[in-house]
Amino acid sequence: GQNIDQPTEMTATEGAIVQINCTYQTSGFNGLFWYQQHAGEAPTFLSYNVLDGLEEKGRFSSFLSRSKGYSYLLLKELQMKDSASYLCAVRDYTGTASKLTFGTGTRLQVTL
Amino acid sequence: DAMVIQNPRYQVTQFGKPVTLSCSQTLNHNVMYWYQQKSSQAPKLLFHYYDKDFNNEADTPDNFQSRRPNTSFCFLDIRSPGLGDAAMYLCATSTTGLTYNEQFFGPGTRLTVL
Repeated sequence: GQNIDQPTEMTATEGAIVQINCTYQTSGFNGLFWYQQHAGEAPTFLSYNVLDGLEEKGRFSSFLSRSKGYSYLLLKELQMKDSASYLCAVRDYTGTASKLTFGTGTRLQVTL
Repeated sequence: DAMVIQNPRYQVTQFGKPVTLSCSQTLNHNVMYWYQQKSSQAPKLLFHYYDKDFNNEADTPDNFQSRRPNTSFCFLDIRSPGLGDAAMYLCATSTTGLTYNEQFFGPGTRLTVL
């Protein structure tokens, strides 16, 4: 079965750092994605991890530990526009296509 | 710009009246996906096409069908929409292969069932 857990909501202050955690238990694993989704809009890609460790991309970093079934997304220097849902998704490769199983998302509210 | 386009952005239909949502892409990706996302829930994969090969998820209701007449276009047909089918429908595309292949999402079609 597929089980992906994220906190439902988080609040942080503009300029601060926030860490959004994701734990997963899935039957297949071939990488983990983080997507950002603003209300009423499509998800947009933020990061991808397939090996253990930290991937840094500007203000966003993502970490993966495959042995622990754990990832986090780190957002630095928070801006008001970062208020959105952040979706953790585990990739399973079927031999032809990548299938993503999404968590329910963490709704981040950035305040002044 | 290469992109994934969904039409219409908002669709209203009546209970039981068939409806078709469309998706087109200029990325020339060989894989296309349809997801259903209900309010405050995760996107749920309904099915995907690898080229012309159709792959249905085990728990996708028979009420949902799909067509892919060519590489660029993919359609989602809901034969008899129920109130529970009201949701955002997301189309996505990707390349294939074992290496990293990000899925690119369209803006979605929000379906309302009256």
